[in-house]
Amino acid sequence: EAAVTQSPRNKVAVTGGKVTLSCNQTNNHNNMYWYRQDTGHGLRLIHYSYGAGSTEKGDIPDGYKASRPSQENFSLILELATPSQTSVYFCASGDGDQDTQYFGPGTRLLVL
Amino acid sequence: QQKVQQSPESLTVSEGAMASLNCTFSDRSSDNFRWYRQHSGKGLEVLVSIFSDGEKEEGSFTAHLNRASLHVFLHIREPQPSDSALYLCAVSKGNMGYKLTFGTGTSLLVDP
Repeated sequence: EAAVTQSPRNKVAVTGGKVTLSCNQTNNHNNMYWYRQDTGHGLRLIHYSYGAGSTEKGDIPDGYKASRPSQENFSLILELATPSQTSVYFCASGDGDQDTQYFGPGTRLLVL
Repeated sequence: QQKVQQSPESLTVSEGAMASLNCTFSDRSSDNFRWYRQHSGKGLEVLVSIFSDGEKEEGSFTAHLNRASLHVFLHIREPQPSDSALYLCAVSKGNMGYKLTFGTGTSLLVDP
């Protein structure tokens, strides 16, 4: 089974501060994804990547950047965090567009 | 734009009784359907994937797809208290299979 880990698991940030969420996968999957989960909205796609060096915008990219420095690692960056970005963030990986996405345990972010 | 709705929002069943969850989607050309389970505070675990009309069984989980009626169901046979969780339906299509649209979930409680 796919192994996707996220760090930190919990984060408290101040408004205007920079936040970096990290994701690591050990299954050599090409694709990686960042989602946020909010009550009433389900999971929504923020950014995704097809491989090292690539990042693509998802459905709600505003206020977020992404970085894929290697096959294994995919980061989500909030340059200027806002309270509206308080959420639970999930990273996922998959081997291709049609394939199952495997999810990490999530990062709970609170922006004060 | 794809819309995915799940019903009921919450469901309580007795241990051992069949649980049936419903997912309705809006785009009839969708061809990639997955059910995920999320225990409280945890990541998403894929239960069953289905790509054509009919049924697909994985252990105690059976997905039933009827694209003409825009429904995909999840039936859980003899649920246990450990099956108490949030169940999420995810839908995508074609060469944009990476672009999952999630429902907001059904919260299942299995009473011992």
